[in-house]
Amino acid sequence: DAKTTQPPSMDCAEGRAANLPCNHSTISGNEYVYWYRQIHSQGPQYIIHGLKNNETNEMASLIITEDRKSSTLILPHATLRDTAVYYCIVSATAAGNKLTFGGGTRVLVKP
Amino acid sequence: DAGVTQSPTHLIKTRGQHVTLRCSPISGHKSVSWYQQVLGQGPQFIFQYYEKEERGRGNFPDRFSARQFPNYSSELNVNALLLGDSALYLCASSASGGGHLRGQYFGPGTRLTVT
Repeated sequence: DAKTTQPPSMDCAEGRAANLPCNHSTISGNEYVYWYRQIHSQGPQYIIHGLKNNETNEMASLIITEDRKSSTLILPHATLRDTAVYYCIVSATAAGNKLTFGGGTRVLVKP
Repeated sequence: DAGVTQSPTHLIKTRGQHVTLRCSPISGHKSVSWYQQVLGQGPQFIFQYYEKEERGRGNFPDRFSARQFPNYSSELNVNALLLGDSALYLCASSASGGGHLRGQYFGPGTRLTVT
């Protein structure tokens, strides 16, 4: 699986959009970009995934650059409950359900 | 519907002992994966089982083993426990063996402490 690079931490203000960057410059054509988050003392929670196109669901938006070497997770209106570690993962279909987690970005939403 | 459940919640064992952790997937899910999360790090993949067959194995010693039962529940076994096995053990389930649907659903984990 391709390696991802994320900033170790970031703060954002409650009610504002949070933009979380991820670099995956060695991504292969068959690898998807996944985002998960882990709130303290809980198991990771799936947020969103995409291959080439931008994606949006009830939780977040995923913007993937045209060359697919980086992506941004957008939380449109951050709340205190969004405080968590956010993981960007790339995974190929051939890898089955194996997810390779890195260190993630620790996001602190402040009032 | 109930989510992924794991038991026990917490466990304390002594070095050299054996431990069995249990996981029940979401109803209808046939794939179960196990992860180890050491404090301060991201989860590390241990095993995936789909339809009772091993589909993937991470870089863990043979002291770690797992199996999946006909009802798709799963057990993770660790023999000859070491202090370094102290971690949060996470179970994740998904409907298919190759997870490009709505991702995987994780349980709350079992906190194992080895003394």
